[in-house]
Amino acid sequence: QKEVEQNSGPLSVPEGAIASLNCTYSDRVSQSFFWYRQYSGKSPELIMSIYSNGDKEDGRFTAQLNKASQYVSLLIRDSQPSDSATYLCAVVSGGYNKLIFGAGTRLAVHP
Amino acid sequence: ETGVTQTPRHLVMGMTNKKSLKCEQHLGHNAMYWYKQSAKKPLELMFVYSLEERVENNSVPSRFSPECPNSSHLFLHLHTLQPEDSALYLCASSQGIENEKLFFGSGTQLSVL
Repeated sequence: QKEVEQNSGPLSVPEGAIASLNCTYSDRVSQSFFWYRQYSGKSPELIMSIYSNGDKEDGRFTAQLNKASQYVSLLIRDSQPSDSATYLCAVVSGGYNKLIFGAGTRLAVHP
Repeated sequence: ETGVTQTPRHLVMGMTNKKSLKCEQHLGHNAMYWYKQSAKKPLELMFVYSLEERVENNSVPSRFSPECPNSSHLFLHLHTLQPEDSALYLCASSQGIENEKLFFGSGTQLSVL
């Protein structure tokens, strides 16, 4: 069973700080990685995708991928209370082209 | 608004009832999905349809029966459910089966008594 692991949190950070969310995955041949944000009572929303080793930046968000370590992370700079949500890591499972989700990390940004 | 609409938003049913969940997407996508989201657990893929053809049935009990009459509509028919089936059921779509970028509906919160 291919797995995606995330710390459930909550991860509590002060407003303006950098929030660091981490994810590990078990399928060595995975090539596509995604971060979804899910506000309480809402559906998941895609915020970042990354396919190559290294960093990918989009506004305040940076996704980092290390395939050798089977590790993907999401950094949120200048965290805002509106960033408070559950962040889901998702990985395309190598042989099936289907998304495997982690259980999510709950982020709380306090003023 | 993601362009994927689910009804009803909330559903309470007894174990002997039969009900259906409906999903409609207005994005012109060709692939549609049902996911189950239970508290503290990862999203679980249930079914995948590509151009109205079921391409994935992820070991889901037969008390869940999907139907995809066209590429814009997806149903999940429910009968003789168990209390452990209580969860948020999410519909999603993507441009094609090879496109991993999913657009989710708001979900149906199901409670089985």
